[in-house]
Amino acid sequence: AQKITQTQPGMFVQEKEAVTLDCTYDTSDQSYGLFWYKQPSSGEMIFLIYQGSYDEQNATEGRYSLNFQKARKSANLVISASQLGDSAMYFCAMREGLRVDSSYKLIFGSGTRLLVRP
Amino acid sequence: SQTIHQWPATLVQPVGSPLSLECTVEGTSNPNLYWYRQAAGRGLQLLFYSVGIGQISSEVPQNLSASRPQDRQFILSSKKLLLSDSGFYLCAWRPQLAKNIQYFGAGTRLSVL
Repeated sequence: AQKITQTQPGMFVQEKEAVTLDCTYDTSDQSYGLFWYKQPSSGEMIFLIYQGSYDEQNATEGRYSLNFQKARKSANLVISASQLGDSAMYFCAMREGLRVDSSYKLIFGSGTRLLVRP
Repeated sequence: SQTIHQWPATLVQPVGSPLSLECTVEGTSNPNLYWYRQAAGRGLQLLFYSVGIGQISSEVPQNLSASRPQDRQFILSSKKLLLSDSGFYLCAWRPQLAKNIQYFGAGTRLSVL
């Protein structure tokens, strides 16, 4: 069964420092995608970064990078130079492989609450 | 540009009352549409998805139903709400041509009392 695991319920980081949020996954699909979303207190889910299972290079989007280790089945999010506005819940998600109905469903982890200290 | 609208933002309903949450997407055609529910402090659980008009797939048995009467409209309904239906409901869409990224609406916070 496909599964996403986020083992850190909460994390603290000092402003301007880097932080790594852990994510491991389990799937039998050869083709899949990994995502990170940010959920501030307002509740909206904001897409941050995407990594395809066949992408050879780690994805980067501004201050966000995804440390993709396929053999370990991990997809950790690295936030560099943390800002106060980065305080939020962060969810790792996996898109399952192609299905007959082209549903491209996402499976979410339980999330990590990040608090950036001034 | 594409946008997703979800309303209402907050809803308080008595047990046994009906429910209708609406989600519409602008600026795209034939998107995949999804309804998720998030319990307090938890991750998202997929409830329904739709790959086309009138096509609804349910992920978990429950008190809710979904419909897609138009290409860019997705409705979540219930005939009689239960206390356990309380939660945060999020609608999402996926473009046909993209990296399979799902984009979310602002969500509806439902309290059933």
